[in-house]
Amino acid sequence: KQEVTQIPAALSVPEGENLVLNCSFTDSAIYNLQWFRQDPGKGLTSLLLIQSSQREQTSGRLNASLDKSSGRSTLYIAASQPGDSATYLCAAEWDGSEKLVFGKGTKLTVNP
Amino acid sequence: DTAVSQTPKYLVTQMGNDKSIKCEQNLGHDTMYWYKQDSKKFLKIMFSYNNKELIINETVPNRFSPKSPDKAHLNLHINSLELGDSAVYFCASSHRDAGNTIYFGEGSWLTVV
Repeated sequence: KQEVTQIPAALSVPEGENLVLNCSFTDSAIYNLQWFRQDPGKGLTSLLLIQSSQREQTSGRLNASLDKSSGRSTLYIAASQPGDSATYLCAAEWDGSEKLVFGKGTKLTVNP
Repeated sequence: DTAVSQTPKYLVTQMGNDKSIKCEQNLGHDTMYWYKQDSKKFLKIMFSYNNKELIINETVPNRFSPKSPDKAHLNLHINSLELGDSAVYFCASSHRDAGNTIYFGEGSWLTVV
């Protein structure tokens, strides 16, 4: 069964800290992996998309890595800010199925 | 301009009623989806359509019927609403040739009382 797991469920850090969010997935034959951000009462915003042939993607203070052999992806956030507070969701797609399987998310709180 | 828009944003209705949620995307994408986020915030796919054809139907009760009149629209009709249908329903769209980055609407909060 293809599943995505995110640990921890919640994380609280002081402003300015660099942090890593973790995502693990079963079945290394993924097609791609995406990281999303969800703010309370809002939809999901795609942050980074990593194709299966890629190792990492970067956007501003965000860097996402993909290690298919170990079934892991990480989202690195540099110099965290209170505005980064949100729930971060990881989702994987297998075999071009066009079906994203989501983890349950990590709720991040960055304290000023 | 909103890329993926869905209406209504909030809907409170009684058990047994029939309701629809509409979705439109102006991104020129060829694939549209409905996802459901339950009370535990777990997000799961329900349906996907590619060029108006049903591609994915994830063991959803047949009280849920998606309809895609054209590539830019995917509506969700729900018959005989039950308490357990209370959730947030997200519409989304993507384009295969663009690496399949998926864009979500802001969600429709459905409460069945």
